[in-house]
Amino acid sequence: QVQLQESGPGLVKPSQTLSLTCTVSGGSINIASYYWSWIRQPAGKGLEWIGRLYTSGSTKYNPSLESRVTISVDTSKNQFSLKLSSVTAADTAVYYCARESCCWGQGTLVTVSS
Amino acid sequence: QAVVTQEPSLTVSPGGTVTLTCGSSAGAVTGGHYPYWFQQKPGQAPRTLIYDTSNKHSWTPARFSGSLLGGKAALTLSGAQPEDEAEYYCLLSYSGAAVFGGGTKLTVL
Repeated sequence: QVQLQESGPGLVKPSQTLSLTCTVSGGSINIASYYWSWIRQPAGKGLEWIGRLYTSGSTKYNPSLESRVTISVDTSKNQFSLKLSSVTAADTAVYYCARESCCWGQGTLVTVSS
Repeated sequence: QAVVTQEPSLTVSPGGTVTLTCGSSAGAVTGGHYPYWFQQKPGQAPRTLIYDTSNKHSWTPARFSGSLLGGKAALTLSGAQPEDEAEYYCLLSYSGAAVFGGGTKLTVL
């Protein structure tokens, strides 16, 4: 079964760029018809969809975040990544990577603070 | 961006049946929205229960089923168990992008 694991800094300063990587194991990231997503959850709140990367290379983003988000893939490492620029305290959340139809990472807490 | 709506909270008796719904401000929910349902327990990552309206995984208990009902996506739990107490989220896709509902807190009592 496919497993996903997020990694990256747990603390980011305001105005800087949040960068996370998701490592996929147990299956190839480069299978047609799959897509890979980033989702976040502020403490005590609901899930917020950030964006998707399709294996065709195309991406779709949450309109409210689109100007600050980039999702990319490194098929040689079976990884995909999230970059969120100009972060503020409102971006503090647990960040999940997922293949929504199947499998989720355990999540990683990212705190935005100076 | 469409708004996806779910009941904020529902209560079901052990052994009972309950239906959670997922509506869209953009109109009726169809199979083309590829409805997903996720279960999240406190302190845990979500897990996918239902994908593409009604498809289950090997780990999805048989008592859960997904459907379209009255212009909404629906998750029906038949024979509720105490371990089903959790937050449930739906996700709808709109031309490749997606939106979560606000979640339904299900209490088994």
